[in-house]
Order: sequence, then C-alpha cells, then structure tokens
Amino acid sequence: GAVVSQHPSWVICKSGTSVKIECRSLDFQATTMFWYRQFPKQSLMLMATSNEGSKATYEQGVEKDKFLINHASLTLSTLTVTSAHPEDSSFYICSARPGSRAGELFFGEGSRLTVL
Amino acid sequence: DAKTTQPPSMDCAEGRAANLPCNHSTISGNEYVYWYRQIHSQGPQYIIHGLKNNETNEMASLIITEDRKSSTLILPHATLRDTAVYYCIVRVAGAGNMLTFGGGTRLMVKP
Repeated sequence: GAVVSQHPSWVICKSGTSVKIECRSLDFQATTMFWYRQFPKQSLMLMATSNEGSKATYEQGVEKDKFLINHASLTLSTLTVTSAHPEDSSFYICSARPGSRAGELFFGEGSRLTVL
Repeated sequence: DAKTTQPPSMDCAEGRAANLPCNHSTISGNEYVYWYRQIHSQGPQYIIHGLKNNETNEMASLIITEDRKSSTLILPHATLRDTAVYYCIVRVAGAGNMLTFGGGTRLMVKP
C-alpha cells in the first residue's frame, strides 16, 4: 500500500523551543495532507488540512500561529510547534491519500512530542 | 459526516473470529463505511471500506446491512497482533475529505 512517513518518531524538547515534524508521501503525490493530534487514551482530533501551495485550513480552537504548517511540495508537509509548552505534549499524526485510490487515507507512524 | 456508534471494548479469543459492530443510522446515500485500526502508539491503518455491498480483502470482511444503518467488521481468525482500537467511520469519498474519528472499539485478543 501507499506509504506515509513521519520524522522524527519521537522528540523531547524544552519549554519555549520550537519543534518541526515532517510528513512525507513516499510513493505518491498528495495535494492534501491532514494533521491530527492525539492525547493519551483519547481519539484522534483533526488539527488542520494542509494544501500544497496554499495556506492550511485550521480546525476551530487550533492556533494557526502556534502550529505552523507548510506544504511546499506534493510529497512533503511540515508541522512546526512554536514556543512549545508541556500541554503541547501529544502524539501528532499526518495522513494523505494517493489521488489514484479514492477513499483510502494512509497515515504516518506518528510523532510523539514531549515538552519538558 | 454521519455519526457512528461502537461498543467501547470487546474481547476475543485468539484464533476465533472477531465481529466488531458499528451503528450508523443517519448514513446518507453517498457515504461510504470505512474501517481503520490503531495499534498502540502507531498511526491508524486502513482496513477496508464499502458502500452497500459486502467487501472482503486479505485483512477482513465488511458486512453492511441492506438498509445500510449498521455494519460489522469481521476478522476471521484473530491473532494477538490484532489487539488495537478499531474505528468505524462514514464519509463521502472524494479528494480532500478528511476522516473524523470517534471513540472506536478497543479489541483485546486473548490467548
């Protein structure tokens, strides 16, 4: 099946620093990618929709200035958590769909962020 | 997207069939039923999807009732590695449509 890869798979940072998470579609092009966040024992919550070549669309309650999304190419979207705080500690997951396979969304392995 | 209702948890004996139910009574005519699963600390994995006919692939079978108000995901011979949270999602298929996750069913496969 199609492969979506995230990097890093886990990161620990100090409060106040910024962290960048990359999401790559390895064997297909994705004009749209989705970023989710998942807190312990909870379901995935959509944060934003990343569109290649244009601004991301954020869900209600998600601060666009804090969670910067860049989708500069058809195979790469990045999520930067700026001035991270402990409450930003979470599991961040991206997803994308090959244009040729209607319906199936493929997910990355996830990136676990821990802010000290 | 139409809302789905799943039992929060289920147990299954290893080697037996796991039957995971999902209610989606408000599903509309152009909405598909998707199943994903999430093994602990991993991203969700696509399992299967269907519109109104039953579907089968190498992972599972999907049985959709004739009125489309409910469906059942069947893992024919559950293994310990099938222990995961299983999400039933209904949505319109199409470019750009994201998935909205509910609570899912936590399936525990026991030896």
